[in-house]
Amino acid sequence: KAGVTQTPRYLIKTRGQQVTLSCSPISGHRSVSWYQQTPGQGLQFLFEYFSETQRNKGNFPGRFSGRQFSNSRSEMNVSTLELGDSALYLCASSLVGGRGSEKLFFGSGTQLSVL
Amino acid sequence: AQSVTQLGSHVSVSEGALVLLRCNYSSSVPPYLFWYVQYPNQGLQLLLKYTTGATLVKGINGFEAEFKKSETSFHLTKPSAHMSDAAEYFCAVSDNAGNMLTFGGGTRLMVKP
Repeated sequence: KAGVTQTPRYLIKTRGQQVTLSCSPISGHRSVSWYQQTPGQGLQFLFEYFSETQRNKGNFPGRFSGRQFSNSRSEMNVSTLELGDSALYLCASSLVGGRGSEKLFFGSGTQLSVL
Repeated sequence: AQSVTQLGSHVSVSEGALVLLRCNYSSSVPPYLFWYVQYPNQGLQLLLKYTTGATLVKGINGFEAEFKKSETSFHLTKPSAHMSDAAEYFCAVSDNAGNMLTFGGGTRLMVKP
């Protein structure tokens, strides 16, 4: 069974641009979550999607958005990039989520560098 | 609000020695507790989790953790370290509202030959 796939693996953007990251969950998984990992702030929750609906949202500005498609694939978008957005963005999937106790399966992440 | 504190951002042990990684949490509701491991250039992999029931939880690769409610702790241990255990370890807590994990700052484990 294929794992969680994130594309692209690396991205370099400049300030002010926008970026879209993609995540394909494990087959059959309907919940997709996104996390930002930085050396300074550590791992922080961005948002969770289930059945094409955002179920939870972390404390990030509105420049960060996401969506989920009917096949459970998810994308996240960051507009008007800032230097501080440089981070490893991790996607995680689980069967249904919503219970807090489910095991999350993480992808290898997309490393975003903002110059 | 939930929070997780991992004591020691770096821990170094000799191969064959006991591994002890400390985690304390705060939560206003009965927590679900997790330990994840991250190898270089990879995502996170679940080692073990506590939801309810037995407070001593066994995970993969010989790791185990004990939930101590009175101490609000969930320390991770392994009796004998192996070189392949060198990685970064994250303790996390969630409630029953979804997959919103709150992570600790991480502990980088180094294993000396």
